Amino acid sequence: ELKVEQNPLFLSMQEGKNYTIYCNYSTTSDRLYWYRQDPGKSLESLFVLLSNGAVKQEGRLMASLDTKARLSTLHITAAVHDLSATYFCAVGHSGGGADGLTFGKGTHLIIQP
Amino acid sequence: NAGVTQTPKFQVLKTGQSMTLQCAQDMNHEYMSWYRQDPGMGLRLIHYSVGAGITDQGEVPNGYNVSRSTTEDFPLRLLSAAPSQTSVYFCASSYSITGRPQHFGDGTRLSIL
Repeated sequence: ELKVEQNPLFLSMQEGKNYTIYCNYSTTSDRLYWYRQDPGKSLESLFVLLSNGAVKQEGRLMASLDTKARLSTLHITAAVHDLSATYFCAVGHSGGGADGLTFGKGTHLIIQP
Repeated sequence: NAGVTQTPKFQVLKTGQSMTLQCAQDMNHEYMSWYRQDPGMGLRLIHYSVGAGITDQGEVPNGYNVSRSTTEDFPLRLLSAAPSQTSVYFCASSYSITGRPQHFGDGTRLSIL
């Protein structure tokens, strides 16, 4: 059974600081996703990571994947208030193609001025 | 540019009632799925479909039925609502190709009294 653990689950940080959210998963997978959710809203896709060593960046967010360690990170650089949200990682089940995702519990991020 | 459309957005039911949550997508995606989101639990997969006429169970399928008669629509039926099914339900769709992100609807907030 695939398990996905995120940490921390809650993070309060100041603007301008850097921080990293970690996502560990328990079994082999060929794809990992990061999503953002604002309160009361839907989920927005941020990154899709498909291979060992993959790194993707968008603005102040950078995601990486280490399939050997079964670990993905979401790094926030020089945080700004607009990045306050809940961030989820989700792991696809091995075997390729599209099927269900297993989500972490989410990291609730608050960025204070 | 509708994307994934869920109806209704809010619903209150009494225990034992049945209802259908609607989900439609206009992106010609083969893959569709239903998740429920509970506080502190992330999203959990209920049922999914890889194409018209094909459905399968996810992590928490009990108490729910689905069907996929067309590519566009993937309704979720609650057979006999229970308070434990109070949740926010999200429908998602994607192409059936590894690495394509799932697009989420805005959610249905369901309360069962």
